[in-house]
Amino acid sequence: DGGITQSPKYLFRKEGQNVTLSCEQNLNHDAMYWYRQDPGQGLRLIYYSQIVNDFQKGDIAEGYSVSREKKESFPLTVTSAQKNPTAFYLCASSPGGMNTEAFFGQGTRLTVV
Amino acid sequence: QKEVEQDPGPLSVPEGAIVSLNCTYSNSAFQYFMWYRQYSRKGPELLMYTYSSGNKEDGRFTAQVDKSSKYISLFIRDSQPSDSATYLCAMTNSGGYNKLIFGAGTRLAVHP
Repeated sequence: DGGITQSPKYLFRKEGQNVTLSCEQNLNHDAMYWYRQDPGQGLRLIYYSQIVNDFQKGDIAEGYSVSREKKESFPLTVTSAQKNPTAFYLCASSPGGMNTEAFFGQGTRLTVV
Repeated sequence: QKEVEQDPGPLSVPEGAIVSLNCTYSNSAFQYFMWYRQYSRKGPELLMYTYSSGNKEDGRFTAQVDKSSKYISLFIRDSQPSDSATYLCAMTNSGGYNKLIFGAGTRLAVHP
């Protein structure tokens, strides 16, 4: 059953801690993305990766880091430098090249306590 | 001015109504247009994907793109309570770097 799996679904973090959100896809897609969704603001791009071992900053990369060591995996770390980390985080993937159809995981809701 | 503008609603319609959802955009280079449906606390689900101008139909859903007016629409015929969700438009200008620009989403409620 092909798709994008994000885990965990809910995550709580104390202030000052780093946390890592998992994203795995078995669609054989080259491109992967992380978005942040806040109420009334739509989706904003944090980081994206077009191929393994390469990634680029999106519009709101400050306080986040990523890695792309495997085609299937694109984990996102929310660092203590992120001033307002409470949000809904969405991972997506697309085939890449001329095919821009992007498919999303079910999201991780991060809450800072 | 945002690159993509979308009325956040909420839009409330009776079951069976025809729903029209719209987005306007400012970047004339956009060529790929998508509509996503997002249920509460879930990830967006791709509904329609179109390239350049024209219409595309899939069941009760029709997507229209008017590049001359920089305006896209999603029509839902015979709306059902299960269509109640937030609808997001998205677009991009390149097949090489697929950075999607999203609208803020329109919340739709279809009541029985």
